[in-house]
Parts: sequence; C-alpha cells; structure tokens
Amino acid sequence: SQKIEQNSEALNIQEGKTATLTCNYTNYSPAYLQWYRQDPGRGPVFLLLIRENEKEKRKERLKVTFDTTLKQSLFHITASQPADSATYLCALDGNSGGGADGLTFGKGTHLIIQP
Amino acid sequence: NAGVTQTPKFQVLKTGQSMTLQCAQDMNHNSMYWYRQDPGMGLRLIYYSASEGTTDKGEVPNGYNVSRLNKREFSLRLESAAPSQTSVYFCASSEAVGGSHTQYFGPGTRLTVL
Repeated sequence: SQKIEQNSEALNIQEGKTATLTCNYTNYSPAYLQWYRQDPGRGPVFLLLIRENEKEKRKERLKVTFDTTLKQSLFHITASQPADSATYLCALDGNSGGGADGLTFGKGTHLIIQP
Repeated sequence: NAGVTQTPKFQVLKTGQSMTLQCAQDMNHNSMYWYRQDPGMGLRLIYYSASEGTTDKGEVPNGYNVSRLNKREFSLRLESAAPSQTSVYFCASSEAVGGSHTQYFGPGTRLTVL
C-alpha cells in the first residue's frame, strides 16, 4: 500500500541553526511533492512544490530536495527563527499526476525553534 | 479576497443528528476538496470535485455526501453523525498551474459528535 512517513516526534532546533525535516514514501511514483506549514488551529498553508525532474528548489530561507531513487524529500529551513515553529506537512499527488484528485499527506513533523 | 471560507467554525452534534458543512472560495478555482484531520492520522481526503457538476470519492467517503452547488461552493453533509466522525474538517480548492494542484485551505470546522 502507499505510505508517506515523516518524523513523528517533535524536532527541537536552536534558533539560528538549520532545521532539516524528512519525508519518505513507498509505493508511489509522484510527479510532484509539496510542503505545507500548519499552525495550531489553522488550515495548512502551501510553501513549496518540487517536480520529479527537479533535484532542488529554494525560496528565501527554505530549500527542498527530491530524490526519486531514494523516494525521499528533505525540507531545510536555514537561519531558523522561533516564528518558524509549526507543523510541516509533506504531500504527494499520488500516481494520477498533478493532484487534481487530491493530495496524500504525511502526518507532519512538529518543529520547535528554541530561542 | 477571502480565499476559502468555512462555516461553522465549531459544532457539537449528538449521535444520529445531521448537519451540513459549508465551504466557499473566491479564487475562481475549478477543483475543490474535503479533508478530515485526526490526531495521529494526518489529513485524509473525503470527497473532491474536479469541476462544477462532478464529485468523486476520496479515501474515506463512508458516512458523508457532498454537493458542488456551483463553482464557488462545495458542501459536505453528515446524514447521521457518529462519534467516529469527530474530527477537524478542512475544505480546500486548487487550480492547475504547470500541471500541479497547489491546495488552498480554509480555516477548518471542529466537529464533536457525542
């Protein structure tokens, strides 16, 4: 069966350091992989998308890598700040291509940036 | 632009009661979705509507019905609520950009079934 795994435990990082979150998947051949941020009591917010033929994508302090051989994506936040504390969700479009029929989400990793 | 709006924000039902969760988007998106989020389970797709006039089942459709009233509105109905339907419900919309569907979520409806 299709499965997405993210670090289930909270990740504690000191302010200013780089936070690295992992997303692993099995039995998928996604065309795209997306990362979302979710704050308590709110809906997820889109951050970054990376295509299967892209190795790396950057946006300001965020960087995403996508290794389709390892079936893994890494999400990095450089120069982390307490305001980056949130739950980060990895999402795949499944095998349909694009996600028109919805995305499959990981359970999320709770990131805590300590001052 | 309000984005995606959902009503109500909170709801408490008794087992067997019915209710409809409302969702509207003002981004002119073709596709709309209903997800539920439970602790330890992540977001799971209930139903989706790829375009006005069409609806399809997602991963966990049992106990739910949907209506795509027009391009803006997509409602989720619980005909006979059960405690297992206690959850946070999120509506989302999307538009294809370069072949991918980035999703825009509403603030959620927190439903408790007693």
